[in-house]
Amino acid sequence: EVQLAESGGGLVQPGGSLRLSCAASGFTFSSYSMNWVRQAPGKGLEWVSYISSSSTTMYYADSVKGQFTISRDNAKNSLYLQMNSLRAEDTAVYYCARWIAAQNAFDIWGQGTMVTVSS
Amino acid sequence: EIVLTQSPGTLSLSPGERATLSCRASQSVSSSYLAWYQQKPGQAPRLLIYGASSRATGIPDRFSGSGSGTDFTLTISRLEPEDFAVYYCQQYGSSRFTFGPGTKVDIK
Repeated sequence: EVQLAESGGGLVQPGGSLRLSCAASGFTFSSYSMNWVRQAPGKGLEWVSYISSSSTTMYYADSVKGQFTISRDNAKNSLYLQMNSLRAEDTAVYYCARWIAAQNAFDIWGQGTMVTVSS
Repeated sequence: EIVLTQSPGTLSLSPGERATLSCRASQSVSSSYLAWYQQKPGQAPRLLIYGASSRATGIPDRFSGSGSGTDFTLTISRLEPEDFAVYYCQQYGSSRFTFGPGTKVDIK
């Protein structure tokens, strides 16, 4: 079964750091571009970051550029998001999502991991 | 950056009725890069439509997408109880992915 499973969320103080992970299974992870998408409590979806299959290309939303870093380890079938200088407005559920180029869409999503930035 | 606007914000309908959801872009979007997602409370989004009009795997044919340029539509021909949810349109362009604010379809 094709699956994505996020981990690493939790409560962090403003200014702190957190590293999210996303474990992929059931498909050839190294063949797909991957993304992080977040959703603040009671709000809509916000794309955060994209990484190509071989890590040659990364994109970031303006709201996190210079603050977050996306990476991946194809040998470990894992996607990461390093989040630094966290602010209250970064509080959200963070989803990893597979980008399927043949459809130009996010076709597989994880269940999400909650990040709460609060003192 | 392309901004997506969805209307209405909330659509109150009864099971069996037809739902028409609108997604309007601030500038022209390639149909190839326009998708629709469904999200139920406490769940991750699910891909419904890609390429503006193609149904994703396993999506019932009561869901259909149409449109081009700046105006796109998601239609649910006859609402089933499981269709009451929030629907988002999404586009990709110029190294950016953007989502609309969503339309909530609730039970009248």
